[in-house]
Amino acid sequence: NAGVTQTPKFRVLKTGQSMTLLCAQDMNHEYMYWYRQDPGMGLRLIHYSVGEGTTAKGEVPDGYNVSRLKKQNFLLGLESAAPSQTSVYFCASGSTRVNTEAFFGQGTRLTVV
Amino acid sequence: GENVEQHPSTLSVQEGDSAVIKCTYSDSASNYFPWYKQELGKGPQLIIDIRSNVGEKKDQRIAVTLNKTAKHFSLHITETQPEDSAVYFCAASSSSASKIIFGSGTRLSIRP
Repeated sequence: NAGVTQTPKFRVLKTGQSMTLLCAQDMNHEYMYWYRQDPGMGLRLIHYSVGEGTTAKGEVPDGYNVSRLKKQNFLLGLESAAPSQTSVYFCASGSTRVNTEAFFGQGTRLTVV
Repeated sequence: GENVEQHPSTLSVQEGDSAVIKCTYSDSASNYFPWYKQELGKGPQLIIDIRSNVGEKKDQRIAVTLNKTAKHFSLHITETQPEDSAVYFCAASSSSASKIIFGSGTRLSIRP
């Protein structure tokens, strides 16, 4: 049982390049989240999804897009990467009921130069 | 929207002593307060949670307290051990919001 798997684990982008981060969960969870973690700022919610085909904005959505075409996958896209998007990105998933444990992936370390 | 503040940002305690981390939240509709532990190079993991219908919860050496009136909740770790060294996050969510908002984290170091 893999839980939540993020790919890739590391990536270096040049300013202006695009990329997609993939999150996959095998727990049949309805809720999925994308967070970014920066020093001193904790985990900030970028976008989230409460079910297949739905997405919503979190605290810091600008510069990112997401898609949830399949229940088990939640994709985070950067159309034109900027140095300010250098961060560690975490995906998480949770069961149908809100207010239950969120399971996190191992993270993706992204550097934009 | 919901805002969660966490203090202190760093905490160093002698092994065997207790550690306390405090959080406040802004949304009075919040009713679920989890605490996560993040070890180096890993994603956060849930260690304990509390719901708004209880004031305190214990699990071996860790305990959480909740004061709904003051919108405060705290994590208490007793008899600290080296393996308690990590970053700890508090969080808050409500049934209507569908999202979990985290505090800024506390880096806990246990001195031998």
